[in-house]
Amino acid sequence: EVQLVESGGGLVQPGGSLRLSCAASGFTFSSYAMSWVRQAPGKGLEWVSSINSGGDYTYYADSVKGRFTVSRDNSKNTLHLQVNSLRAEDTAVYFCAKGGHYSNSPFDPWGQGTLVTVSS
Amino acid sequence: DIQMTQSPSSLSASVGDRVTITCRASQGISNYLAWYQQKPGKVPKLLIYATSTLQSGVPSRFSGSGSGTDFTLTISSLQPEDVATYYCQKYNNVPLTFGGGTKVEIK
Repeated sequence: EVQLVESGGGLVQPGGSLRLSCAASGFTFSSYAMSWVRQAPGKGLEWVSSINSGGDYTYYADSVKGRFTVSRDNSKNTLHLQVNSLRAEDTAVYFCAKGGHYSNSPFDPWGQGTLVTVSS
Repeated sequence: DIQMTQSPSSLSASVGDRVTITCRASQGISNYLAWYQQKPGKVPKLLIYATSTLQSGVPSRFSGSGSGTDFTLTISSLQPEDVATYYCQKYNNVPLTFGGGTKVEIK
């Protein structure tokens, strides 16, 4: 069974940083693109970032470009999202999601999410 | 960037009703369109990909159609367990934009 477990969320002050992680199991992690999607409280889904299977191609939403960095450790089956220069509008549940063999694939399944709250 | 517009933003229908949700792309996306279901307090779940292919385990009352810029998710006979918010998503290239969502309730 595919499992994705996020961690690393928490309360952080504006301008602060966090490193989110997503531990994957139940599939050959190194063969699949992975993505991060966020959902602000009571709002819809927003694609944040994607990374290809090898980790050499990364993609970002304009709203996070230059502040967030996605990476993966295929030896540890782990996806990361380094989030810097956080703003109040970055407050959201951050989901990791498994893509397909290529970056242009739908997301299935999704992890349970980790909550990031940006507040002073 | 291509925008994804869903309509309606919410709807209320009776059990057994046929429900249709529309998703419009501002430019053509071929058939690179997925639908997700998010039940209250739960994680989004992939329902349909490639416009009309049902993900394994999804009830056959769900169907998708369309191409290019106009797409539709249909629930042929609404059930109480279908109460959820439904999102479309384009995935032909980045940004992998979601529609704004359609909240489906039981009347």
